[in-house]
Amino acid sequence: KNEVEQSPQNLTAQEGEFITINCSYSVGISALHWLQQHPGGGIVSLFMLSSGKKKHGRLIATINIQEKHSSLHITASHPRDSAVYICAVIKGYGGSQGNLIFGKGTKLSVKP
Amino acid sequence: DSGVTQTPKHLITATGQRVTLRCSPRSGDLSVYWYQQSLDQGLQFLIQYYNGEERAKGNILERFSAQQFPDLHSELNLSSLELGDSALYFCASSVWTHPYGYTFGSGTRLTVV
Repeated sequence: KNEVEQSPQNLTAQEGEFITINCSYSVGISALHWLQQHPGGGIVSLFMLSSGKKKHGRLIATINIQEKHSSLHITASHPRDSAVYICAVIKGYGGSQGNLIFGKGTKLSVKP
Repeated sequence: DSGVTQTPKHLITATGQRVTLRCSPRSGDLSVYWYQQSLDQGLQFLIQYYNGEERAKGNILERFSAQQFPDLHSELNLSSLELGDSALYFCASSVWTHPYGYTFGSGTRLTVV
């Protein structure tokens, strides 16, 4: 079983819809990243979370450390949001291990 | 431009060959991370260097090696290439040993034929 699981694997939405992508992990972590990868291949870090909630424009990320779960929400979705969204965790606490373990990604397609 | 520079962007080579991928980290970042993204495996951590020293190793094959130079740029060497090595190779950098404030390069697409 993967240490980081994302759902759904694929998501198709109509422009304007509210979108939620989920990430569950089974290991202790010090932080969690949400990444966006566009069809051209480049990866952009959207958020890094260790607790609570962060908001940037139409994107909102939440994390529940006790439940080992994080969600990425997109409000008023737009075709330019079409991309693969990847959850990645920094495994371990403090100085133990600082590299990312990745989920397999959620491919989002937003139709006009 | 993320500030992390990877070259070349695309590389096509034959099986059995050796290639070198280059990464220049964002200014001020001391850590460089290498990742491989293949269709079937997704993103996987290969290796990390911090200020010239190897810091952590992931799923890196023995045919692969890396180093970080005094000017902090890093090179990933892939040898005895196989078809299965075809993938996107990403470099990322951060200030500290842990990937906080993490920035990815645009990747090198390697095709082995």
